[in-house]
Amino acid sequence: SQTIHQWPATLVQPVGSPLSLECTVEGTSNPNLYWYRQAAGRGLQLLFYSVGIGQISSEVPQNLSASRPQDRQFILSSKKLLLSDSGFYLCAWDTGTGSNQPQHFGDGTRLSIL
Amino acid sequence: QKEVEQDPGPLSVPEGAIVSLNCTYSNSAFQYFMWYRQYSRKGPELLMYTYSSGNKEDGRFTAQVDKSSKYISLFIRDSQPSDSATYLCALGFYGNNRLAFGKGNQVVVIP
Repeated sequence: SQTIHQWPATLVQPVGSPLSLECTVEGTSNPNLYWYRQAAGRGLQLLFYSVGIGQISSEVPQNLSASRPQDRQFILSSKKLLLSDSGFYLCAWDTGTGSNQPQHFGDGTRLSIL
Repeated sequence: QKEVEQDPGPLSVPEGAIVSLNCTYSNSAFQYFMWYRQYSRKGPELLMYTYSSGNKEDGRFTAQVDKSSKYISLFIRDSQPSDSATYLCALGFYGNNRLAFGKGNQVVVIP
């Protein structure tokens, strides 16, 4: 069966520090991968998605970037965090075989910027 | 007009009651529909997935889709305290990776 792992579960970082969040998927090949941010009362905001190694689409121009160095690995990064980057970050995948497949989420990283 | 409207609640019900949750949407191009359950400090978990109008049942859960009215519902029968969570609807287009999510509806089942 397929599983998705995100780490760390919680992170407290000072303003201006760098960020690296990692997501890996097991049990499937060539998945589509997604990064979302969830803010209270605002729903899920799609940040980036990837349909293959090295292929990244950005949905919202901001202080973050994403990379996909391996088929089942997706990384969210920032060079300098802002207070506004605080939130709950979720990674998700779908099978990639067709665009009508549901997405499956990891358990997220709660990021607090001080 | 937002793509997907979902009343955030919270909705409090006594144990054993039927929970009814709804989402409305504006774009008739949406073709498949999902409900997710999200416990506090966890990621959303897929509950129901359907792409046709009508009802789909899975245990105590029923998903209902009315494409003509642009309306989807989730019903939880015999609700349990373990059903206390936030429920999000999600809608998708064929040929497009992006999903449109509702803001989520918080449900509290009181023992």
